[in-house]
Amino acid sequence: RKEVEQDPGPFNVPEGATVAFNCTYSNSASQSFFWYRQDCRKEPKLLMSVYSSGNEDGRFTAQLNRASQYISLLIRDSKLSDSATYLCVVNLPPGGYNKLIFGAGTRLAVHP
Amino acid sequence: GAVVSQHPSWVICKSGTSVKIECRSLDFQATTMFWYRQFPKQSLMLMATSNEGSKATYEQGVEKDKFLINHASLTLSTLTVTSAHPEDSSFYICSAENRGNQPQHFGDGTRLSIL
Repeated sequence: RKEVEQDPGPFNVPEGATVAFNCTYSNSASQSFFWYRQDCRKEPKLLMSVYSSGNEDGRFTAQLNRASQYISLLIRDSKLSDSATYLCVVNLPPGGYNKLIFGAGTRLAVHP
Repeated sequence: GAVVSQHPSWVICKSGTSVKIECRSLDFQATTMFWYRQFPKQSLMLMATSNEGSKATYEQGVEKDKFLINHASLTLSTLTVTSAHPEDSSFYICSAENRGNQPQHFGDGTRLSIL
């Protein structure tokens, strides 16, 4: 089983749509969770951290369910500029440094 | 915000050449730097972790004699791909953090193409 699993997509949605991405992780001792965005041929950029209580940043809402080891990202009112690959990222338990495990990513294509 | 600079951004060279990639933290002290590799349509895979002044810790399946990592100062780590072959062609990305403080800051990557 992969340590972080995501639906690869692609998700093709029209502008203005709401789209949700899911992610599961295998190590129950993981403590930090993130969503990164990666554009084609670029480095990943942090979109948002994910907290147990759920958190929102503008059009983006992240949820964490520790019992199910499940993370989600909701994007409302999709823009063309949201087209990218969204990476679910989980850290492994502390061992002196933070080891991040990346999911393979979910591709989003927003069309006019 | 914190900036990590990676150089070069693109390398094309012949098989058998050794290639050095630099990763610099420009405005903070990077106690730990991470090196990742990403093949097309795949996720970033951690290759190794380096702490300033000590030997790098390599992930399973990554040859330490093939991928030499040096982290001699708090602002610079280098990855040298020795005797590179076409199968080493990939997108190499570094990241840096200061004393376990999240999030890690990523460099903008180096695209390596071996002919």
